[in-house]
Amino acid sequence: GNSVTQMEGPVTLSEEAFLTINCTYTATGYPSLFWYVQYPGEGLQLLLKATKADDKGSNKGFEATYRKETTSFHLEKGSVQVSDSAVYFCALRGTGGFKTIFGAGTRLFVKA
Amino acid sequence: DVKVTQSSRYLVKRTGEKVFLECVQDMDHENMFWYRQDPGLGLRLIYFSYDVKMKEKGDIPEGYSVSREKKERFSLILESASTNQTSMYLCASTLQGGSNYEQYFGPGTRLTVT
Repeated sequence: GNSVTQMEGPVTLSEEAFLTINCTYTATGYPSLFWYVQYPGEGLQLLLKATKADDKGSNKGFEATYRKETTSFHLEKGSVQVSDSAVYFCALRGTGGFKTIFGAGTRLFVKA
Repeated sequence: DVKVTQSSRYLVKRTGEKVFLECVQDMDHENMFWYRQDPGLGLRLIYFSYDVKMKEKGDIPEGYSVSREKKERFSLILESASTNQTSMYLCASTLQGGSNYEQYFGPGTRLTVT
């Protein structure tokens, strides 16, 4: 079945550092891939998505590229801010399916 | 602005009580979901619904039931609350059809069972 594996946290960075959170997936067909973010005390919200191979999703300075050859969708940001401290979830939704499969989440702490 | 709302942000119940968690979405979405979120375990799907009066078990349905009488409303019911159901409960909705449709989440209900 479909699955998502993302790097364990927590990840602790200083402000303005470069961020990478790794995500790999297993799926049949051509799923869409997502990154969701959860700020403290809130529900999840969509950060970015990519719907086909080689697509790049981007939002708020975050980027991720859908790599079918390596089955990966790594999240990157060039310069993190304290306000980026949150939990980040990688996810996929398969073609024709109802469900979205979520990774376990990676907690990011950014220090001033 | 699209919205998913949940009836309570915080709830404290006693063991054995029947508990209702309500979720309402205003986006005319066909699919609705209930998850629980626990530290180290990520999101686990309890139940989902793809139409009014239709429901499917998720990965951890034991101890829960659901009701969907109207398209916009999806209720989660704990028939007899137990301490191991203390958790954060998240409701979500999405359009049916394409895999490119994202889920919209409510703010969550933190339930404590004592």
